[in-house]
Amino acid sequence: ELKVEQNPLFLSMQEGKNYTIYCNYSTTSDRLYWYRQDPGKSLESLFVLLSNGAVKQEGRLMASLDTKARLSTLHITAAVHDLSATYFCAGGYNTDKLIFGTGTRLQVFP
Amino acid sequence: KAGVTQTPRYLIKTRGQQVTLSCSPISGHRSVSWYQQTPGQGLQFLFEYFSETQRNKGNFPGRFSGRQFSNSRSEMNVSTLELGDSALYLCASSVGRQRDTQYFGPGTRLTVL
Repeated sequence: ELKVEQNPLFLSMQEGKNYTIYCNYSTTSDRLYWYRQDPGKSLESLFVLLSNGAVKQEGRLMASLDTKARLSTLHITAAVHDLSATYFCAGGYNTDKLIFGTGTRLQVFP
Repeated sequence: KAGVTQTPRYLIKTRGQQVTLSCSPISGHRSVSWYQQTPGQGLQFLFEYFSETQRNKGNFPGRFSGRQFSNSRSEMNVSTLELGDSALYLCASSVGRQRDTQYFGPGTRLTVL
């Protein structure tokens, strides 16, 4: 069964700095999702990556997928406080169930 | 366009009772998935429904069941509630089974006493 691991679990970063969240998965996954969750709220879809080498960007967030390495990254550029949230990656194969990572709790401080 | 709605938003039950949660997907979406989120286990897949048929089921006991109606609305039922069933239950809808983008509802927070 697919397993999805995220690291780091916690990330405290200063405003203006760059950082990357990593998402490794154990077996074949033909799609990789990134979500954001604010405290006490539901999930918000950020990116869907469907093929090797896929790169998507929205504002200060950029996600990429390397299917050969079974790795996806979420890169944060020049972090701002509004990006503080928990970020989840999730993978699945074909139409199988979605498996979530443990989440990365990001805190951005001045 | 209205988003995914879930009712009720909060629920308190006692052990042994049963509960039914409802999810109304975005208009035109035919796929509905359910997830359980707990501090200990994180986000776990429960079921996926498409065109009134359960397509996938997660590793949950038979006490967890669900269904989807012809208008794509979905319900999930948990019988013989246990303390460990306390969780945030999230519903997500998408246009089709490819789940290119899932749109999540606000969730139902269930507390079992």
